[in-house]
Parts: sequence; C-alpha cells; structure tokens
Amino acid sequence: DAMVIQNPRYQVTQFGKPVTLSCSQTLNHNVMYWYQQKSSQAPKLLFHYYDKDFNNEADTPDNFQSRRPNTSFCFLDIRSPGLGDAAMYLCATSRDGAYEQYFGPGTRLTVT
Amino acid sequence: QKEVEQNSGPLSVPEGAIASLNCTYSDRGSQSFFWYRQYSGKSPELIMSIYSNGDKEDGRFTAQLNKASQYVSLLIRDSQPSDSATYLCAVLGSSNTGKLIFGQGTTLQVKP
Repeated sequence: DAMVIQNPRYQVTQFGKPVTLSCSQTLNHNVMYWYQQKSSQAPKLLFHYYDKDFNNEADTPDNFQSRRPNTSFCFLDIRSPGLGDAAMYLCATSRDGAYEQYFGPGTRLTVT
Repeated sequence: QKEVEQNSGPLSVPEGAIASLNCTYSDRGSQSFFWYRQYSGKSPELIMSIYSNGDKEDGRFTAQLNKASQYVSLLIRDSQPSDSATYLCAVLGSSNTGKLIFGQGTTLQVKP
C-alpha cells in the first residue's frame, strides 16, 4: 500500500543536541509538509516543499531546517532543541498542493 | 476572527446516535474542505473530503458543505465507541499555497 513513513516513531534528545527526523513516501506526491503538533492543539505548519521549492512559514524558528534530497524523502533538522520543542512532528504529502493531505504516523520528540 | 472555527467540545452522544460536528471558515474563496479524525497520541487520518456544495456520503459519514454560509459539517450515523476521537476540520486556503488551515478540533465521546 502507498503510504507515508516516519522514522523514528519516538525520539528522545538532550537539550541543545541536534536531532534529525525523517519522512519517506511511496505516494509519489510532489508536495511534502512538516507540522508540529502539541497536546490539544491543531497541527502547526512549519514549512513545505513544492517539488524542490522550499516554503518556510513566517513564524517558524530558525532552529528548524529541512532538506528534501529527492521526491520520496524529506528531513526535519532541529539544530538546538529546547524544552519547548517537545511535540509530535507530522509529515504529510499531497498532489500539487490542491488535494488531500495524507499524514504519516508522526514522531514523538522528547527533550530532556 | 479565527480562520477556521470549531466547537472544542467535548460532544457526548450515546452509542447508535447521530453525531453532528460543525465548522465555519472565513476565507470565502476556499474550495477544498477536509475532515480528519485523530485518536489520542496518533496522527490525523483523512476521513472525508468535499469540494462542492451539498452532501457527500461515505459509509456512516456524511459531509455537508454550504459555501454561501461558509459552513461545513460532518455527520456520523450509528455512532460507535470507536468513533471517540478529535475531529479536525481543515480548509485549503484560496491562495494556492497548498496550506491547510485547521480548526482546533472537536472532541467526540460516544458512550456505550
């Protein structure tokens, strides 16, 4: 089945220690998104790639970076995690950005 | 005014009843509307998409869209305890950025 895969599912990192989360997809969608979701809140868009074009949200901290080496993979880098970055990180994909977005299972990040 | 508004709930219904979830949006140019179900600790799961005025049915779920009133709803017939979750209304903005605007979600509790 076509799907969105995220690794790891759970990540524990220390305050200030860089961490990378990965996302891959077999849907062959050209748009990939990264969201942050904290408890009892709606997902918050961090940035997205439309093909190779990177689109950053205005309020996304510089601490968050992303890479998309090819159509299937996308990475979220948190350069110096703070306690406030503990959250569920969701990857989603869509076709042309005009249709449904499909979410991966998420990565739960804990910062100690 | 929030861009997408939902009652946070909780909405409590007895098993077998119809659950009605409502959502209003502010961007009159929006064309695409989605309902996601999110179980606690899990990622959002797409359950309905609707693009035209009227009703769209899929099994026990019916999505209703009224663009003139800027209103979209989700009806769940024969509610089951397994339907207990948070339901997120999402609207694709008219700016062609592919950005989904989420409501805060409505928590549904189906009591046996």
